[in-house]
Amino acid sequence: GAVVSQHPSWVICKSGTSVKIECRSLDFQATTMFWYRQFPKQSLMLMATSNEGSKATYEQGVEKDKFLINHASLTLSTLTVTSAHPEDSSFYICSARRISGGNNEQFFGPGTRLTVL
Amino acid sequence: GESVGLHLPTLSVQEGDNSIINCAYSNSASDYFIWYKQESGKGPQFIIDIRSNMDKRQGQRVTVLLNKTVKHLSLQIAATQPGDSAVYFCADSETSGSRLTFGEGTQLTVNP
Repeated sequence: GAVVSQHPSWVICKSGTSVKIECRSLDFQATTMFWYRQFPKQSLMLMATSNEGSKATYEQGVEKDKFLINHASLTLSTLTVTSAHPEDSSFYICSARRISGGNNEQFFGPGTRLTVL
Repeated sequence: GESVGLHLPTLSVQEGDNSIINCAYSNSASDYFIWYKQESGKGPQFIIDIRSNMDKRQGQRVTVLLNKTVKHLSLQIAATQPGDSAVYFCADSETSGSRLTFGEGTQLTVNP
């Protein structure tokens, strides 16, 4: 099967610091990865689409200067939450798209719990 | 899917009963639909998918029904087990692999 990992699985940081979250496709190449945010008792909300070798596409209302996305290789995308504040505390989940035999599938990572104090 | 509100709908069933979880979506152009299971503190886990040219698809203990006329999707779980307790989300996209829109989710609790 296709495996997607995230690192770290959880992080606690002070307000004003920046936090980097990694998303890796372990056994396939992913030209496209997606970043989601999920608040408690709520659904997943797409933040941005990360494209290898080009700029990410952000959803309406998501600040691109606050949530920096870098997709430098076919197996790694990173999300950096800059100058984090308590309201950024959330569960961040990535997914990676695998193209296989004409079929496109998304595989999700296990999520990263961010707590900003 | 339509993601609104701050409280997940809940469904509580007895072990061995069948469960039906419903979902509405809003995008008429959606062509691909997926059900995910999410356990606490984990990422979504794929359950079953269906394309718009079908109205029913069956997997192991699960069946997905699609009604495009009313933009409605349902997930049926047969002989529900305690291990099925989780939050279930529907998601839709215009093509497989493209950006997904998630529904609000339903918390399923299976009582032994």
